[in-house]
This record gives sequence, structure tokens and C-alpha cells, in this order.
Amino acid sequence: AAGVIQSPRHLIKEKRETATLKCYPIPRHDTVYWYQQGPGQDPQFLISFYEKMQSDKGSIPDRFSAQQFSDYHSELNMSSLELGDSALYFCASSPQRERGGIQYFGAGTRLSVL
Amino acid sequence: EDQVTQSPEALRLQEGESSSLNCSYTVSGLRGLFWYRQDPGKGPEFLFTLYSAGEEKEKERLKATLTKKESFLHITAPKPEDSATYLCAVQASGGSYIPTFGRGTSLIVHP
Repeated sequence: AAGVIQSPRHLIKEKRETATLKCYPIPRHDTVYWYQQGPGQDPQFLISFYEKMQSDKGSIPDRFSAQQFSDYHSELNMSSLELGDSALYFCASSPQRERGGIQYFGAGTRLSVL
Repeated sequence: EDQVTQSPEALRLQEGESSSLNCSYTVSGLRGLFWYRQDPGKGPEFLFTLYSAGEEKEKERLKATLTKKESFLHITAPKPEDSATYLCAVQASGGSYIPTFGRGTSLIVHP
């Protein structure tokens, strides 16, 4: 079965650089979520899209932005990177927003900011 | 504000030693409670959904139960491959559909 695909798997950046993370949700899923997870932490919700429109916003810094494209893939853009942005970033998709707790996660992108 | 508290934070078991993980929650109204398994460096894997008190779900050695205030994940005769972090998430009724995650229980099963 198709799963959520994220790229790249690993990313190393310098402070103040920009990073772009990509996510390809499971086909026919109507909602996409982005999470940030630090070591030993629970996933922190950043932002979500429902049918390609921004739906909910969590603790996403102003330096970050995201969008979902016509082919349903989503990108998380991160600018002016800081050391504290080093974390695992997950994308998840859900077949039905109303059952938003049922999410299928990608393998994640590990971002290291040096 | 919705709150999800998982206990214990960490649990070490011997293979075959059954135990339970707890997830207590405070929400204005429960739309659903969800259990996930997360292996190190990987994305959470959906396990169960529970919607109403008294509901139970089972999968292999795992059984999830739900009351009005908490959920338990019972692990029967665990094996080393059950070692992982188990996350609980709660979706409140009304307003946002975004679930609130707990911090998880890290389970290690020794052979």
C-alpha cells in the first residue's frame, strides 16, 4: 500500500540558511499535517492543510511557511534557520479530516542545523 | 485546554511479563482517542482508535480500553520486538480536528 513519502530523509544546513522539506501524502487523503519532534518529545503540530487550503496552525514560527500544491504534495519552507530548529520533521496525512486522529506518518526528515 | 498525560514515562519488562500503559486525558468532549507506536527515528504508526467509554480494540499482544477519563494499553506476554515508544493522542469534539499528543511511554522488553 502507498505510504506518505518525505524527502529528503536527512538535511544538514548552516545557521541562517533556508531549507525546503517535501511531502507526498497517501492518494485520496484529504488532510496533510506537519509536525516537529525534538529528542524525547512528543510531536508538536505545526500546520495542516485540508483539500489544499491551510486549515489549522499550531506552533509554527513566522520563519516557516508551508503550502499544498495542485498535485496534493506539500512543502515546508524554513528560513533563517536556527540551532533550535534541529529536529525530526514529520508529515502525516489523514483520509478524513473529521477523524483527524487517524494519521499516517512519513518516515520524517532529520534536519541538523550547524 | 486539552491535556494528555501518559504514565509511566518509561517501562522495562522482561519478555512475557504483561503490563499496562496509561493515558489520562482532559477534554471538553471526546471525539476520539488514538494510540500510536513509534520506533526510534521513525514516524509514529497508527495502532487503534477508540471513540466511546467501554470500547476495546485488540491487535496481537496489544489491547486498548477506554473510560471517560483514561485509556489503557495492555500488553500481554510482550516480546522484545514490542519495544518502542507508545503515544496516545486525543481529538476533542468541536473546533479544531487536530489531536493533542501525550509525551509517550518508552517501553523496553528484555529477552
